[in-house]
Amino acid sequence: AQSVTQLDSQVPVFEEAPVELRCNYSSSVSVYLFWYVQYPNQGLQLLLKYLSGSTLVKGINGFEAEFNKSQTSFHLRKPSVHISDTAEYFCAVTRYKLTFGGGTRVLVKP
Amino acid sequence: NAGVMQNPRHLVRRRGQEARLRCSPMKGHSHVYWYRQLPEEGLKFMVYLQKENIIDESGMPKERFSAEFPKEGPSILRIQQVVRGDSAAYFCASSPEGDTEAFFGQGTRLTVV
Repeated sequence: AQSVTQLDSQVPVFEEAPVELRCNYSSSVSVYLFWYVQYPNQGLQLLLKYLSGSTLVKGINGFEAEFNKSQTSFHLRKPSVHISDTAEYFCAVTRYKLTFGGGTRVLVKP
Repeated sequence: NAGVMQNPRHLVRRRGQEARLRCSPMKGHSHVYWYRQLPEEGLKFMVYLQKENIIDESGMPKERFSAEFPKEGPSILRIQQVVRGDSAAYFCASSPEGDTEAFFGQGTRLTVV
């Protein structure tokens, strides 16, 4: 079985400040890892993914994430956020079935 | 290549009625997932289907809910005798294989009155 824990349910952050969203997972087998973003009243959009190779993954909109196998983590970062980054972010893992964390709401304040 | 299409986008049903939610996967995708998102909560897995097969329905409530993905046509999530607690956003996602990222539709927002 696999599970995903997003350690922060809400993250308030000021515009142009950096942000980090934490994600830890557990699985008895190797998995693929994803971050998705959900804007209000929208579906989910893929931000980035880790399948193999370099542990630092760059995604869309200036986001990046680092896979740490020993700590079973896949934290998402952005060095400078915009108001438009206000959304909910979901970490997910898959090994045949996508499993999501509970989500982290990011509120960017001016 | 059109994305994952879900319809309707909004659905209102009275208690006791049936709700049918449709999902057309992306072209070439044979794997479909259904997720439910309750207000202020995360995404909860419901069911994973391939064409004509239910692979994993461990997240489906035991009663009133069913899903299918026929050889031809969209995947259908069916909720019989809806209750207020069924009000939620239901998202469908599709992928070409099981071990890749899934692409999501815009969701169907079900309101039971």
